[in-house]
Amino acid sequence: TQLLEQSPQFLSIQEGENLTVYCNSSSVFSSLQWYRQEPGEGPVLLVTVVTGGEVKKLKRLTFQFGDARKDSSLHITAAQPGDTGLYLCAGLYNNNDMRFGAGTRLTVKP
Amino acid sequence: EAQVTQNPRYLITVTGKKLTVTCSQNMNHEYMSWYRQDPGLGLRQIYYSMNVEVTDKGDVPEGYKVSRKEKRNFPLILESPSPNQTSLYFCASSFSGSSSYNEQFFGPGTRLTVL
Repeated sequence: TQLLEQSPQFLSIQEGENLTVYCNSSSVFSSLQWYRQEPGEGPVLLVTVVTGGEVKKLKRLTFQFGDARKDSSLHITAAQPGDTGLYLCAGLYNNNDMRFGAGTRLTVKP
Repeated sequence: EAQVTQNPRYLITVTGKKLTVTCSQNMNHEYMSWYRQDPGLGLRQIYYSMNVEVTDKGDVPEGYKVSRKEKRNFPLILESPSPNQTSLYFCASSFSGSSSYNEQFFGPGTRLTVL
């Protein structure tokens, strides 16, 4: 079983729409990271959140860490085709145990 | 350029034929790890290393070996590959393993097929 559950697994939207993807766990993490992976490449870090309730913004992307540090969300405003990719959340558990979710595959159609 | 390199990028082999996937980083990172990525399962950690000569098992270590004789290199060894080890493999490195702010830098991946 996955320690981190991501939803939805697949998401296909039109350019300009907003979307939110979720990352949930029954465990508390000391930090949580979001990565984006494009075909043929390794994941690239987007953001790290550490404090419960923390909100970080990266241009059109907004990341939130749940108050209890068990869940996180990624919201994209006015999605663009360049946002297409696999979005992975990763939680740091027990200081050196990094666990990844299965990912949300996002397709943004022009 | 700061990077993690893996070789080979693609490999097709047969059951039982020993193979090694190399991983090298030029960022002087202490922490290195290997993951496999399978559809619907995401990235699962195979082994990690906190520093030279220090390695430990991740979630799915069975059938794999690693070594960390030098800081920059962390090869993944499959002594007797089996078809269930067909997967996409990523090597990653970070400054240290225990900081909450650590960014892991990933290599480009090695797609392995075991027939």
